[in-house]
Amino acid sequence: NAGVTQTPKFRVLKTGQSMTLLCAQDMNHEYMYWYRQDPGMGLRLIHYSVGEGTTAKGEVPDGYNVSRLKKQNFLLGLESAAPSQTSVYFCASSRRAGQSNQPQHFGDGTRLSIL
Amino acid sequence: AQTVTQSQPEMSVQEAETVTLSCTYDTSESDYYLFWYKQPPSRQMILVIRQEAYKQQNATENRFSVNFQKAAKSFSLKISDSQLGDAAMYFCAYRNAGGGSNYKLTFGKGTLLTVNP
Repeated sequence: NAGVTQTPKFRVLKTGQSMTLLCAQDMNHEYMYWYRQDPGMGLRLIHYSVGEGTTAKGEVPDGYNVSRLKKQNFLLGLESAAPSQTSVYFCASSRRAGQSNQPQHFGDGTRLSIL
Repeated sequence: AQTVTQSQPEMSVQEAETVTLSCTYDTSESDYYLFWYKQPPSRQMILVIRQEAYKQQNATENRFSVNFQKAAKSFSLKISDSQLGDAAMYFCAYRNAGGGSNYKLTFGKGTLLTVNP
């Protein structure tokens, strides 16, 4: 049972380069999320999606774009990477929020370093 | 906006003993959910326990239990008979109930738990 799968697990970029992080879930979840985790800051929401074809900004969206062309996939893009985007990125998914206390299920994270 | 505060950046406990991690939150909502997540060195985010605000009974999951004080907006996690495998960063998280824009999790900054043999 794969759950939430993130690729890649590690990546080093140079300032100004672009890249896309892929998140895939096999639980047929409606909602998907991208977080970043920085030391002493906990997890902060970057963008989220409540369904295929819909995305919205979270707490720290600047410098990132997302797309959800398929229900099972949620892509996070960095168009021009900056050192401030060095972080660990987590993808999560959940069932529709109104359905009881559904928790979010997390991927294993992607460690991204921008030089 | 809701906030979650974990006032203990680090805690330590002896193996087999009990430890309590603190969490307070601020909200004007009456219906919401609270969660504790564990993050071991492997970096996985693992759900430990969850609590519905409308339930007065405190949630328990084996050696893990919570002390939910709704009026005080407090949600502490108690780990009994601590094991070496409990060593991890623990995050408290809050989510409003219902749909619409209420699905977002708000996390505290975490408490690093060390278990001493």
